[in-house]
Amino acid sequence: DTEVTQTPKHLVMGMTNKKSLKCEQHMGHRAMYWYKQKAKKPPELMFVYSYEKLSINESVPSRFSPECPNSSLLNLHLHALQPEDSALYLCASSQDESGTPLDPLHFGNGTRLTVT
Amino acid sequence: ELKVEQNPLFLSMQEGKNYTIYCNYSTTSDRLYWYRQDPGKSLESLFVLLSNGAVKQEGRLMASLDTKARLSTLHITAAVHDLSATYFCAVGGSGNTGKLIFGQGTTLQVKP
Repeated sequence: DTEVTQTPKHLVMGMTNKKSLKCEQHMGHRAMYWYKQKAKKPPELMFVYSYEKLSINESVPSRFSPECPNSSLLNLHLHALQPEDSALYLCASSQDESGTPLDPLHFGNGTRLTVT
Repeated sequence: ELKVEQNPLFLSMQEGKNYTIYCNYSTTSDRLYWYRQDPGKSLESLFVLLSNGAVKQEGRLMASLDTKARLSTLHITAAVHDLSATYFCAVGGSGNTGKLIFGQGTTLQVKP
């Protein structure tokens, strides 16, 4: 079982809905990430939080809004999404952003999002 | 811009056979990772390779790194059905451990 927990596992939403994806880790990691993975494609980085501050935004549209309430939690707020945003959204964590290359990213099981 | 290319993208092989997946990357990096992903599942870390000549083995899988050639290989020995999955290599940009650039993935199908 993964040590990074994501909820919900599946989400179907209309283009006018507002929803949130949640991610939680209790490994004491100080860096958390959102990746997006389309079918049969590799994961692509969206956001990086380091010590609860946003450190990287990979030019993600503003309809995706990340939030890091504390060091264990990471949210992704969704609003006015498009059908092409349908994908698997993966949360990951690591010890910290800048050190320990020995520590690979620990991924959650993902939320499969369908936008109708 | 760092680019990572894997080949082949799809591999169908018989049980008991050996094969190698290749991962090339375009610029210098100080870390390379191999991940496994089962359909509809998350990514599982397999290997972390940090230095030139690094070799790691776990069961029927062996990964190596040649930083001069900017090449990593994932060798499968005597494949079994349980190894069927998609394998990604991922290369870290300088500094940030989390900004990984993934290869396209190699889907491995092992037939009885």
